[in-house]
Amino acid sequence: GQQVMQIPQYQHVQEGEDFTTYCNSSTTLSNIQWYKQRPGGHPVFLIQLVKSGEVKKQKRLTFQFGEAKKNSSLHITATQTTDVGTYFCAGKLSGSARQLTFGSGTQLTVLP
Amino acid sequence: GAVVSQHPSWVICKSGTSVKIECRSLDFQATTMFWYRQFPKQSLMLMATSNEGSKATYEQGVEKDKFLINHASLTLSTLTVTSAHPEDSSFYICSATRGGVDTEAFFGQGTRLTVV
Repeated sequence: GQQVMQIPQYQHVQEGEDFTTYCNSSTTLSNIQWYKQRPGGHPVFLIQLVKSGEVKKQKRLTFQFGEAKKNSSLHITATQTTDVGTYFCAGKLSGSARQLTFGSGTQLTVLP
Repeated sequence: GAVVSQHPSWVICKSGTSVKIECRSLDFQATTMFWYRQFPKQSLMLMATSNEGSKATYEQGVEKDKFLINHASLTLSTLTVTSAHPEDSSFYICSATRGGVDTEAFFGQGTRLTVV
């Protein structure tokens, strides 16, 4: 069935290193959203991308939406310990769907 | 941003009893809310879409008689886990969007349910 895959599942980095998580959908997405969930917390919205090929930046975070609107990436430059958490992508898979389909998530650990 | 409040944040119940979880949008009206279940270190699994004034739409594999959803007002949706069993122990979380479906989702704090 339709699903959203995310890789890697886990990532350990040394503080200061860069980090990237990739999101791939089996079908075209109308938009892609990214969320961050801290350990023990709930998902918090980071950003939404709508246009094909769109790139948005938030300080050290760079978000991209693929040209075919089937994939997306989140890149963090010079990670900090505050970046620890699980990053989820989420998209609306079909034109009539009201719900978001969440990716499997990437759990980021930043070692000091 | 908009606030979604979920209550209780954690609950322990005996096997066979029922537990009600509330999800409230505090500063906006939510015609649609979503209920998810999350196992440790896993993604959010959509259980059902809660529609104000009408029946919830359940995802495949989710028992509607076991997970009762009521969306009685534009600011409140409830999830009742009936006749809970240990395998129902999980993290349940709700979300709502303020505007159309293409806007960000605001999540409640989640409810950690433990059935003993």
